[in-house]
Amino acid sequence: RKEVEQDPGPFNVPEGATVAFNCTYSNSASQSFFWYRQDCRKEPKLLMSVYSSGNEDGRFTAQLNRASQYISLLIRDSKLSDSATYLCVVNFIGNTPLVFGKGTRLSVIA
Amino acid sequence: NAGVTQTPKFQVLKTGQSMTLQCAQDMNHEYMSWYRQDPGMGLRLIHYSVGAGITDQGEVPNGYNVSRSTTEDFPLRLLLAAPSQTSVYFCASSKRGTPLNEQFFGPGTRLTVL
Repeated sequence: RKEVEQDPGPFNVPEGATVAFNCTYSNSASQSFFWYRQDCRKEPKLLMSVYSSGNEDGRFTAQLNRASQYISLLIRDSKLSDSATYLCVVNFIGNTPLVFGKGTRLSVIA
Repeated sequence: NAGVTQTPKFQVLKTGQSMTLQCAQDMNHEYMSWYRQDPGMGLRLIHYSVGAGITDQGEVPNGYNVSRSTTEDFPLRLLLAAPSQTSVYFCASSKRGTPLNEQFFGPGTRLTVL
């Protein structure tokens, strides 16, 4: 069974805080990993891909730990506009459909 | 490019009615899929297609039909609507690759079945 597990939250953090989300996946042969962002009543949009070596995009850092089968997303200096649901997404095998976690909700508070 | 478009944005049906949710993309993506999203359940795959003329079932296909006669269009048909099909439906597309590339989502259709 292909599963992607996330803590649903909500994470309520003050502006400027650093917050981290983790996600675990069930299949060690998984090939690609992503974080998507979904705003309330909107469609999901790609935030960033997750590479084996880890990658950073501004205030966002994504890391992959294949041995432990988890992915993380770190957000530094949180902004009010970061409030959203963050979806962990895994491509388990080749050209099969992406599998989405249920999402972690983040609320950044002024 | 318009990206992925979906119509209608909102729809109310009565139990037993049928309807088609439309999805189109203008990015020449081979891969298209339909998801439904319910509170606390996340995105669940209904059907997907890896190219024109090819469709396959996802996690929750019962009660839905799809066809893919062109690369651009991937309609989702509800044959006999039931209250359990009340949900938000998202269509997505991506360029075929191994592993699968980024998926682009349409704005969604909010369906209520009474």
